[in-house]
This record gives sequence, structure tokens and C-alpha cells, in this order.
Amino acid sequence: GQQLNQSPQSMFIQEGEDVSMNCTSSSIFNTWLWYKQDPGEGPVLLIALYKAGELTSNGRLTAQFGITRKDSFLNISASIPSDVGIYFCAGLTGANSKLTFGKGITLSVRP
Amino acid sequence: DTAVSQTPKYLVTQMGNDKSIKCEQNLGHDTMYWYKQDSKKFLKIMFSYNNKELIINETVPNRFSPKSPDKAHLNLHINSLELGDSAVYFCASSQGRASGANVLTFGAGSRLTVL
Repeated sequence: GQQLNQSPQSMFIQEGEDVSMNCTSSSIFNTWLWYKQDPGEGPVLLIALYKAGELTSNGRLTAQFGITRKDSFLNISASIPSDVGIYFCAGLTGANSKLTFGKGITLSVRP
Repeated sequence: DTAVSQTPKYLVTQMGNDKSIKCEQNLGHDTMYWYKQDSKKFLKIMFSYNNKELIINETVPNRFSPKSPDKAHLNLHINSLELGDSAVYFCASSQGRASGANVLTFGAGSRLTVL
């Protein structure tokens, strides 16, 4: 089945730094989603991408749908302590496919 | 007003017991899901219902039985609980029949601990 690869498992950055996270696959995806999970909460959608090459921003977050349709990245600029959490990428291969999740990256931000 | 609400948020029980987790969504979505998140934070789909019809049933033990009395509710009943069932269970919903191009809205999760 399709797999989405996210690494490393954990990232540690200083407050104010920018951070970039990648999500890659050997399969082609038609939709890429980025979710954030705060401790003790459910995942919340950050950005949805529907077209290859699409670049979308949401505040300090920017995500891109890779041209090959096999990858996506999420950038967080000027990180703040509340950016801590687990960041999941997720993808769909088609209109009736199941949503596939990556294993997530746990982000820690040092004040 | 919570969009996807699950109860209880925490559940601690003994091995062998039967327990249920309830989920309700007020988004008017057609499709609801149950996901299991293990200790490594991996999200694994268990079931999906569209308008009370089961459309996704992953390889899950028969001890797990979802029930959807109407399209706004999807409950999860677990029989003969085992230690390995300890996890956080997330309910989610989306518009449309399948995940499709429609994104999931998750509940806050129900942490099940089996002793």
C-alpha cells in the first residue's frame, strides 16, 4: 500500500528559527494535507494542497505540493513556543482512496 | 460548539471488560471514521461509515464493533478488552462518501487504558 515517509521523528529548534518538514512517497498523490496535533488533542488541518506545484500559505506556515506529486513540504517561519506538537502529512491517491498518514514529526521549540 | 465530540475523554478499565466510546458530529458531514493512535503516535484507520453504511473495515479484531444509529453518530464498542487495545481512539468526519478530496475533522480523542 501507499506509504508516506516523514523524518526525522523529532526536531528541536530555537524560538524564532524557521523549520522545514518534508513528506515523501514512492507513489503519486493527488491531494496533500498537513495536520498538527497538540498534546491531548486531535489533529487539526493546517493546509490542504490539491494541485501539483501549488504553494499555499496560512500565516507563518507555507506548504507546497511537489511537481512530481510524490512529495510535499511544510515550512514554519519565525517559530514560537505554541508551534510545538506533532506534524502529520497525509495524502490521497484518488477521489475514492483512503487517506494515508505519515508517522508524524514531533516539533519542540526552545524558548 | 464542538464540531466532533467524543466521550469519554479518558477510560481506564480492566482486561476482559466491554466498553464503548461515543462520537457525534454537528457538521452535517456524511462520513465518519474511527482511527487508532498507538504509543508511537501512528494514526491507523479502523472503520468508516457513510450515511450509516460501513464503507471501510480495516483488519481489526472482531472484538471491535462500530455502530452508526444515524449519520451524525458513530459509536465504537469493544468486547473483551486486551492490554494491546490501550491507545487513543479518534473519531473524525468528512463531507462526501469517501475521504475523497474532502478533509477530515477530528475529535479530541478518547484515551483508553487497559490494566
